[in-house]
Amino acid sequence: GAVVSQHPSWVICKSGTSVKIECRSLDFQATTMFWYRQFPKQSLMLMATSNEGSKATYEQGVEKDKFLINHASLTLSTLTVTSAHPEDSSFYICSARKWTSTDTQYFGPGTRLTVL
Amino acid sequence: GQQLNQSPQSMFIQEGEDVSMNCTSSSIFNTWLWYKQDPGEGPVLLIALYKAGELTSNGRLTAQFGITRKDSFLNISASIPSDVGIYFCAGLVHGSGNTGKLIFGQGTTLQVKP
Repeated sequence: GAVVSQHPSWVICKSGTSVKIECRSLDFQATTMFWYRQFPKQSLMLMATSNEGSKATYEQGVEKDKFLINHASLTLSTLTVTSAHPEDSSFYICSARKWTSTDTQYFGPGTRLTVL
Repeated sequence: GQQLNQSPQSMFIQEGEDVSMNCTSSSIFNTWLWYKQDPGEGPVLLIALYKAGELTSNGRLTAQFGITRKDSFLNISASIPSDVGIYFCAGLVHGSGNTGKLIFGQGTTLQVKP
């Protein structure tokens, strides 16, 4: 298998502040990572594709200036929620693409963000 | 756009029973992945399928990649209480640009009565 970690696992912040979430692939290199948002009892909603060494690709309707993504190394991608508001409260999950002879994605444990 | 129809939406079964869930699509996929998600956790990969017709087992779990490449099923035999959770299918298309983006089903919520 493959291990993907996320940090922090949960965070509570005040409205207007920025929050950074880290996603790491611990035992493999990932040139591509993905960031998802999940609302209660719903499926995962893809926010953006994080590409190592280049700009992230955002899905339609996702504000790139609101959700800043940096993929500075083959094992780390970060998502920064800028000027957070209560409506940004959600469960954020990353995944890392492991692409060798097969193409698979492994997910992190998720980060619960609560904005007061 | 591409969509996956996953059914059933939810299941409530007795411990020891077998479970079957499936995903269908109008589009062709090159890879099918089945994940399980526990509350407050990220999805965990259960089975990955890479070839049409492929039948793969992982313990009590068995999944198949449909011959048409437009469907897949997951079976769980002799269910136990820890099987409770949400099961997602996901399809991967190796199309132009090969982005690696997954298309997810809506999920099947499984509850097991001891």
